[in-house]
Amino acid sequence: LAKTTQPISMDSYEGQEVNITCSHNNIATNDYITWYQQFPSQGPRFIIQGYKTKVTNEVASLFIPADRKSSTLSLPRVSLSDTAVYYCLVGETGAGNNRKLIWGLGTSLAVNP
Amino acid sequence: NAGVTQTPKFQVLKTGQSMTLQCAQDMNHNSMYWYRQDPGMGLRLIYYSASEGTTDKGEVPNGYNVSRLNKREFSLRLESAAPSQTSVYFCASSTLAGVSDTQYFGPGTRLTVL
Repeated sequence: LAKTTQPISMDSYEGQEVNITCSHNNIATNDYITWYQQFPSQGPRFIIQGYKTKVTNEVASLFIPADRKSSTLSLPRVSLSDTAVYYCLVGETGAGNNRKLIWGLGTSLAVNP
Repeated sequence: NAGVTQTPKFQVLKTGQSMTLQCAQDMNHNSMYWYRQDPGMGLRLIYYSASEGTTDKGEVPNGYNVSRLNKREFSLRLESAAPSQTSVYFCASSTLAGVSDTQYFGPGTRLTVL
């Protein structure tokens, strides 16, 4: 069975780079790894996704090693507005090739001034 | 585009009462989901509908029923509410039901069962 593990919380300061790692084993070999961000009293929203190596967009980078047993979300130069909970999402191939979505429990990031 | 809308935003029920949470999306998505979120538990999938006319159980389906009314609407029903169902409920939709298919979430319904 696939399982994900993320740190429960992290603290940082404005302007620093923050790296959040999600460990995930037994994930579907042909599926992406996706990260979401959630602010209080809102639903999660998509940040970034990748299959392997490195992906970068305007808000974050995602590093995925060759074995795909983990992924690291990198937020460059965080600001107070990056204070949120960050979730990784992976897929698991179950019986009958049914795909099951596995959410991490989330990492609560606090950015301090 | 309104995206994903949910009604109501807040609800208080007594144990044993029933209610239906409504969800609608205007993005022409095929797949829709219902999650519950409890402190320290992350997002847990209750039911999902990969496409119109199909529904499947998620991780925590007991005590809930769903109806995919049409492509736009996906409702969640609590037949006999219990205090353990006190939670924040999120509806989401995506083009298809895969990890690579971005899910768009509604604002949530905060439900308290007394």
